[in-house]
Amino acid sequence: EAGVAQSPRYKIIEKRQSVAFWCNPISGHATLYWYQQILGQGPKLLIQFQNNGVVDDSQLPKDRFSAERLKGVDSTLKIQPAKLEDSAVYLCASSQRNSPLHFGNGTRLTVT
Amino acid sequence: GQQLNQSPQSMFIQEGEDVSMNCTSSSIFNTWLWYKQDPGEGPVLLIALYKAGELTSNGRLTAQFGITRKDSFLNISASIPSDVGIYFCAGQFFNTNAGKSTFGDGTTLTVKP
Repeated sequence: EAGVAQSPRYKIIEKRQSVAFWCNPISGHATLYWYQQILGQGPKLLIQFQNNGVVDDSQLPKDRFSAERLKGVDSTLKIQPAKLEDSAVYLCASSQRNSPLHFGNGTRLTVT
Repeated sequence: GQQLNQSPQSMFIQEGEDVSMNCTSSSIFNTWLWYKQDPGEGPVLLIALYKAGELTSNGRLTAQFGITRKDSFLNISASIPSDVGIYFCAGQFFNTNAGKSTFGDGTTLTVKP
């Protein structure tokens, strides 16, 4: 079984620039999550999709972050404009209904 | 929001020693999960616990779901160098849609050969 695929692995941008991350979940997993992991902390949920609908985006800074999962498979997370405090690893995870999460290897974002 | 308190924050042990770490919450969960994260990788699931009081093993790892549903612990027996990494607990509460996991801030384990 192929795992959760994420790209790019690393991204360095200047503050106020925009950036996008891509995620392809495990085949058949209806639920997709984006987590932000700041150095030294555990992952924090940004947004959760069930198929192509948003289940929970209460922790997503909507003034600068957006995410979509148009066809219920791949997903894109965008930040525009980026701030210094957005430097983190962005993890994508997927799961089947009521099952543990499977994570990708993340995208490490550095904002300078 | 829900918060998980994970302790200890870090551990330095000798190869062959046993390790114990735990996680407590102010909220009730109906699933407890333990993950390990290696540098540059995403967290990998080690053990999942689905019932209060449940004790589950996976090789040298043993985890328990607390009776109150607000805590869990993970034990590693006879540690080896490849046990090095960050261990995260996560509580999951299922609703009619899907589970959402809340993570602790991790226990960093260092094993000295």
